[in-house]
Amino acid sequence: DIVLTQSPGTLSLSPGERASLSCRASQSISSSYLAWYQQTPGQAPRLLIYGASSRATGVPDRFSGSGSGTDFTLTISRLEPEDFAVYYCHRFGSSPLAFGGGTKVEIK
Amino acid sequence: QVQLVESGGGVVQPGGSLRLSCAASRFTFSSYGMQWVRQAPGKGLEWVAFIWYDGSNKYYADSVKGRFTISRDNSKNTLFLQMNSLRIEDTGVYYCAKGSGTNFYYHIDVWGKGTTVTVSS
Repeated sequence: DIVLTQSPGTLSLSPGERASLSCRASQSISSSYLAWYQQTPGQAPRLLIYGASSRATGVPDRFSGSGSGTDFTLTISRLEPEDFAVYYCHRFGSSPLAFGGGTKVEIK
Repeated sequence: QVQLVESGGGVVQPGGSLRLSCAASRFTFSSYGMQWVRQAPGKGLEWVAFIWYDGSNKYYADSVKGRFTISRDNSKNTLFLQMNSLRIEDTGVYYCAKGSGTNFYYHIDVWGKGTTVTVSS
């Protein structure tokens, strides 16, 4: 089974700073089958990025995704107050589907 | 816009059963793959089960295989999760999620708000 490992577990940053979140797969995966989700406390996840680098409708352009093979990155160029949340990468395209363990972006 | 509303959660003893439902609206339900994803208290997301648009293929996480059954009724725009032999570790919020296409080659684009399952003696 392909395992997704996200790092760091927690990222402490100030508003306006740049955030880089990593998602590493235990085997190479197609970038077509990698998505990123944002979850704020008490809420359902929200789609941010699909196909590793395509922004979902309505997602601000400060969010960007990149990567291929086993290494993928979600970058938030300048953190806004509403961006402090937990972020998950997700692999699909074969069973079992999988989520990474999440990265919490917290206010420093 | 697209709406997914889960129901059927509650408190159940270990070894018991529950049936979750997800009512879908404002999209052509029969054209999309659907899945269940759960989240234990204070933990991350865990994929549970996936069903293709027509119900022809179903997939399960090892942690629920043989105990949970995913199904759908396309005539009633409803997704189900039958959960048997429940364990304490099945406790959490269960989310219904819509794929952006017919099968598991498409990403989740819409999530329901979730229903809470508590397994406790």
